[in-house]
Amino acid sequence: ILNVEQSPQSLHVQEGDSTNFTCSFPSSNFYALHWYRWETAKSPEALFVMTLNGDEKKKGRISATLNTKEGYSYLYIKGSQPEDSATYLCAFIRKTSYDKVIFGPGTSLSVIP
Amino acid sequence: NAGVTQTPKFQVLKTGQSMTLQCAQDMNHNSMYWYRQDPGMGLRLIYYSASEGTTDKGEVPNGYNVSRLNKREFSLRLESAAPSQTSVYFCASRKGTTTNEKLFFGSGTQLSVL
Repeated sequence: ILNVEQSPQSLHVQEGDSTNFTCSFPSSNFYALHWYRWETAKSPEALFVMTLNGDEKKKGRISATLNTKEGYSYLYIKGSQPEDSATYLCAFIRKTSYDKVIFGPGTSLSVIP
Repeated sequence: NAGVTQTPKFQVLKTGQSMTLQCAQDMNHNSMYWYRQDPGMGLRLIYYSASEGTTDKGEVPNGYNVSRLNKREFSLRLESAAPSQTSVYFCASRKGTTTNEKLFFGSGTQLSVL
């Protein structure tokens, strides 16, 4: 992996479903990984900042895990609600340029009531 | 607490015109960033400034210049606007001294180049 990739590109789920999506990043030179939530017509807001292999973070119904050795992070949403509809972005920071924050293309989540 | 403030919120330019997007933060952050939003590509980094007096190219710097005027302000200039620069531009900042620092974003500038 040379760039930051996210899958799937978009997702439609029913209210109450649990869902997860993936962020893939270069496994070498890892410094930090961020997750952001971006609602339409608003600015992105940070969900998690993750720095250590094996990190698990949780905020309400949303949680994230990090595997720096294989270069991926999962974001989980339990019991999706319509207000969870947003684009979820991950951002990768390399050790060699720790001020440079590069975003993936995002996963667009729509939760159908 | 205003956070990150961007001006203007909307702008329409004709091809070839120039303009400067302004960004200021009041959180005493060291690092500041300019991103553009492109459909299907998320946010792409144009330029960033790790500290006052330094600027570096991001992923898509061509056609743009930046100035870190002081610790608070980081401006983005389009010298000769092109239709391909039609986008929403976001300024962001972060403390820049440890790894556990999230980005704080401004509200965005919607730019159309005709």
